Amino acid sequence: QSVLTQPPSASGTPGQRVTISCSGSRSNIGINNLYWFQQLPGTAPKLLIYRNNQRPSGIPDRFSGSKSGTSASLAISGLRSEDEADYYCAAWDDSLSGWVFGGGTKVTVL
Amino acid sequence: EVQLVESGGALVQPGRSLRLSCTASGFNFGHHAMHWVRQPPGKGLEWISGISRDSGTTGYAASVKGRFTISRDNAKNSLYLQMNSLRAEDTALYYCARDDLPSSGKNFDSWGQGTLVSVSS
Repeated sequence: QSVLTQPPSASGTPGQRVTISCSGSRSNIGINNLYWFQQLPGTAPKLLIYRNNQRPSGIPDRFSGSKSGTSASLAISGLRSEDEADYYCAAWDDSLSGWVFGGGTKVTVL
Repeated sequence: EVQLVESGGALVQPGRSLRLSCTASGFNFGHHAMHWVRQPPGKGLEWISGISRDSGTTGYAASVKGRFTISRDNAKNSLYLQMNSLRAEDTALYYCARDDLPSSGKNFDSWGQGTLVSVSS
């Protein structure tokens, strides 16, 4: 059971907007920054969003992150076939003194 | 170009030990904290350990504390994970990842390709 809770799956058709939620607690999302990672099949994870809503260079603006209270979300707009991947959220947890990840959400493009 | 290359993964029996290595290139290794993150087959990511730039601070997940030891050699641009008393549930792909929090606010901004550890009798 992961400290951060994500839905196991999400899907959409090309061009649609898909949103993935990440729920935590005060000790992690509530007081620390939230990160999102994309893991394409058979590859290592890649940083997608940092500091809740910042995109590293090279990440398309179709990907956006937001945070409110103890929850966060990742939105993918203009869904494309190459967005089919697993997506993970992560944050530092002050109570555990360690980084915690969500269980991951598999995004399928129908 | 930032590169992280893990090595040392193997098939080992329960209770045995294994040492993983991660060799870095393309950046000033000594300027970055580093982490180990693992992923059991078909499952999600789990942070297991981190180490500061000067090795002065280390942290561990509860699942490995007391059994695993993280270390680094900045002169060799290398990160290590000594794994003792291995259990079946330690079976996973082990990634090393770079921390760039102090500079850019990004963590886990670069990852290696992973090295596979299988624990089975």
